[in-house]
Amino acid sequence: AAGVIQSPRHLIKEKRETATLKCYPIPRHDTVYWYQQGPGQDPQFLISFYEKMQSDKGSIPDRFSAQQFSDYHSELNMSSLELGDSALYFCASSFSYNSPLHFGNGTRLTVT
Amino acid sequence: AQTVTQSQPEMSVQEAETVTLSCTYDTSESDYYLFWYKQPPSRQMILVIRQEAYKQQNATENRFSVNFQKAAKSFSLKISDSQLGDAAMYFCAYSQKSSGDKLTFGTGTRLAVRP
Repeated sequence: AAGVIQSPRHLIKEKRETATLKCYPIPRHDTVYWYQQGPGQDPQFLISFYEKMQSDKGSIPDRFSAQQFSDYHSELNMSSLELGDSALYFCASSFSYNSPLHFGNGTRLTVT
Repeated sequence: AQTVTQSQPEMSVQEAETVTLSCTYDTSESDYYLFWYKQPPSRQMILVIRQEAYKQQNATENRFSVNFQKAAKSFSLKISDSQLGDAAMYFCAYSQKSSGDKLTFGTGTRLAVRP
């Protein structure tokens, strides 16, 4: 079965640079969630989209922005990167409400 | 705000034995979901089991079962016949039905399986 695809798997950036993370949900899934998991921490919710509209917002810095496109894939844009942004970024998708989230394998971002 | 608490940072179990991971949560809602996710060293997040708050019957998935005590706001995971592949970080998570499927995670319990 198709899974959630995230790219790239690994990304290394320098401070103050910009990064773009991509997420391709499972076909027919209309909802996408982004999570950030710092080293040794639990995943923290950043933002979600339902039918291409932002549906909820968590602890996402103003330096970050995201959107969901007409083909339902989503991109997380991160600017003015800081060392503390180094983390594993997960994307998850679901089909409408009250259905289980399916997670991608994550993008590991390292900021040097 | 909802909170999820896992009071056991680390647990250890002998292969083939049974282990129980604890989770408590706090919410004022009556309709919600609870989950256990497994995160092996590969860092992938894998859904182990899901429980709907309105269902009194405890969810079961093969060797994994839960003890859901709604009044006590407790949601423990029992792993029977532990296998080496069960070694992972286990996260308890909550989602509120009225606000989509956004998950609030606990801090996790690292499970080691001794051969």
